[in-house]
Amino acid sequence: DTGVSQDPRHKITKRGQNVTFRCDPISEHNRLYWYRQTLGQGPEFLTYFQNEAQLEKSRLLSDRFSAERPKGSFSTLEIQRTEQGDSAMYLCAGAGLNTGELFFGEGSRLTVL
Amino acid sequence: DQQVKQNSPSLSVQEGRISILNCDYTNSMFDYFLWYKKYPAEGPTFLISISSIKDKNEDGRFTVFLNKSAKHLSLHIVPSQPGDSAVYFCAASGTNDYKLSFGAGTTVTVRA
Repeated sequence: DTGVSQDPRHKITKRGQNVTFRCDPISEHNRLYWYRQTLGQGPEFLTYFQNEAQLEKSRLLSDRFSAERPKGSFSTLEIQRTEQGDSAMYLCAGAGLNTGELFFGEGSRLTVL
Repeated sequence: DQQVKQNSPSLSVQEGRISILNCDYTNSMFDYFLWYKKYPAEGPTFLISISSIKDKNEDGRFTVFLNKSAKHLSLHIVPSQPGDSAVYFCAASGTNDYKLSFGAGTTVTVRA
């Protein structure tokens, strides 16, 4: 158990709808990451928080995507106006300040019809 | 631009034998390397890591070897067990760069 929980585990939505995913890391995870994984590929970096500050965003993250970590604890990833190409597994990971390992949650699978 | 490459999409090995997974990287700024294991419908699980100041790290049945000059690392699993059947991802990061870059993964199947 990595201590990182994600909700929902699976979301099916219609194209054009908005979806939101939530990630709850443990308190020791000062750093929090969002990754996206599609079939046959490794996880791709989307964005990274240190406490409540969003320090980096990938060029992959279009303006339809927004992430927050308002109190430095849980985080949300919202996708507006979903497209079929957004169908993927969205992974959240936590890490301590001075460790290189990321600890992943079980992921939220998005299916856009 | 794929900075971490796993050129073998799959590997089949008999139970009890050695599994060798390979990974190449292109970014010379990478100095920390990790292997993750992933079962279907689960998130990746950290397996083992190695810093660039070392060329070998061992943890039980798992050993990671790093060849910095060749920009190559490998994961050895010995002996392989049926529970090792999973997708294995190689990942890398640089100093002060806190995000990991992942390879595409190698699916390992351990045959009884």
